[in-house]
Amino acid sequence: GQQLNQSPQSMFIQEGEDVSMNCTSSSIFNTWLWYKQDPGEGPVLLIALYKAGELTSNGRLTAQFGITRKDSFLNISASIPSDVGIYFCAGQSAPGSARQLTFGSGTQLTVLP
Amino acid sequence: NAGVTQTPKFQVLKTGQSMTLQCAQDMNHNSMYWYRQDPGMGLRLIYYSASEGTTDKGEVPNGYNVSRLNKREFSLRLESAAPSQTSVYFCASLVGWYEETQYFGPGTRLLVL
Repeated sequence: GQQLNQSPQSMFIQEGEDVSMNCTSSSIFNTWLWYKQDPGEGPVLLIALYKAGELTSNGRLTAQFGITRKDSFLNISASIPSDVGIYFCAGQSAPGSARQLTFGSGTQLTVLP
Repeated sequence: NAGVTQTPKFQVLKTGQSMTLQCAQDMNHNSMYWYRQDPGMGLRLIYYSASEGTTDKGEVPNGYNVSRLNKREFSLRLESAAPSQTSVYFCASLVGWYEETQYFGPGTRLLVL
């Protein structure tokens, strides 16, 4: 099946620093999604990207849909303690194809005070 | 609005025992999903139901069965639990084929001894 390579696997950063993580795929995706999972909770959608080259922001979060449609990145600016959690990318290969949502393995983010 | 709810939150089983994980959503969504999450592997789709009355296999369906009881409820059954099924199980729902935003429940943590 399709695979997403998400990196880094984990990050330890100081509060106030910027964070960058990315996902790459061997296959083309039509939609890229970024989720955050807090401990003991289910993933929550942060940003959805629908068009190659699209750059979308949500507060301190910015994500881009790569031009090749095979990659995406997520940036978090001025990190705060509540940014701690696991961040997942997910790709959808076909519009309206609900089952084709493939998840990356996650980036565990730790923010040090 | 409770969103997506799952029961139980935790369960310990012995090898060979059976159990059913329950999921319900009150958002009038058409599609529902079951995922499992294992360390370092992200979320993998077990089964999904595009609409009431239909179910389809995902990436890792072996050892599981599902029932879409009505539009609100989607259950996952383990007929004969195995240690390899130790995992965190998430249920999700979304409005329809044209909508990519999946809403996740809080998860069920299952340990099979």
